[in-house]
Amino acid sequence: KQEVTQIPAALSVPEGENLVLNCSFTDSAIYNLQWFRQDPGKGLTSLLLIQSSQREQTSGRLNASLDKSSGRSTLYIAASQPGDSATYLCAVKEEGNNNDMRFGAGTRLTVKP
Amino acid sequence: DAGVIQSPRHEVTEMGQEVTLRCKPISGHDYLFWYRQTMMRGLELLIYFNNNVPIDDSGMPEDRFSAKMPNASFSTLKIQPSEPRDSAVYFCASSLSAGGYGYTFGSGTRLTVV
Repeated sequence: KQEVTQIPAALSVPEGENLVLNCSFTDSAIYNLQWFRQDPGKGLTSLLLIQSSQREQTSGRLNASLDKSSGRSTLYIAASQPGDSATYLCAVKEEGNNNDMRFGAGTRLTVKP
Repeated sequence: DAGVIQSPRHEVTEMGQEVTLRCKPISGHDYLFWYRQTMMRGLELLIYFNNNVPIDDSGMPEDRFSAKMPNASFSTLKIQPSEPRDSAVYFCASSLSAGGYGYTFGSGTRLTVV
């Protein structure tokens, strides 16, 4: 059974810092990996989706990388801002499985002004 | 588009009562998903539909849980009878494809069973 782990569980940084969030998964037979953002009391918003054949995806200050063979993904946030404060979750969609995305528990990020 | 709409936003009910959660997906999305989020277990897929047909309900915890999608614009998740351990945030999401693109979540229903 696919297990998705996110480290750290919580992270607090001063505004302006670059930071990296980590996601690892146990079964490398994935179809894609997706990073989501969740604000308190809200649903999840998709940030970046990386197909299994891709190495990275970029959107603005966000860059997500994927190393499928080692079962790892990172989300890099450049020049962090207080508005980036949220919980970030990664989710893995497995090959051959119709549509079960396995989510990590998330990293709660706080960016201090 | 108003996005995925869930109602109610909050529900407090007594143990043993029936609870019905509602979801309106984004128009044109063929897939609809019900998730449950708790501190202990994180986000779990309960069931999903494709073109109104339930495809995988292996995540539904017990027979007390049931879900329907009578048409492309409406789905319900029902718990009968409810128990305190059902307390969680229930999310509905919809997408255009099975591949994960365009995955859009609703704001969730926070259910408290006392």
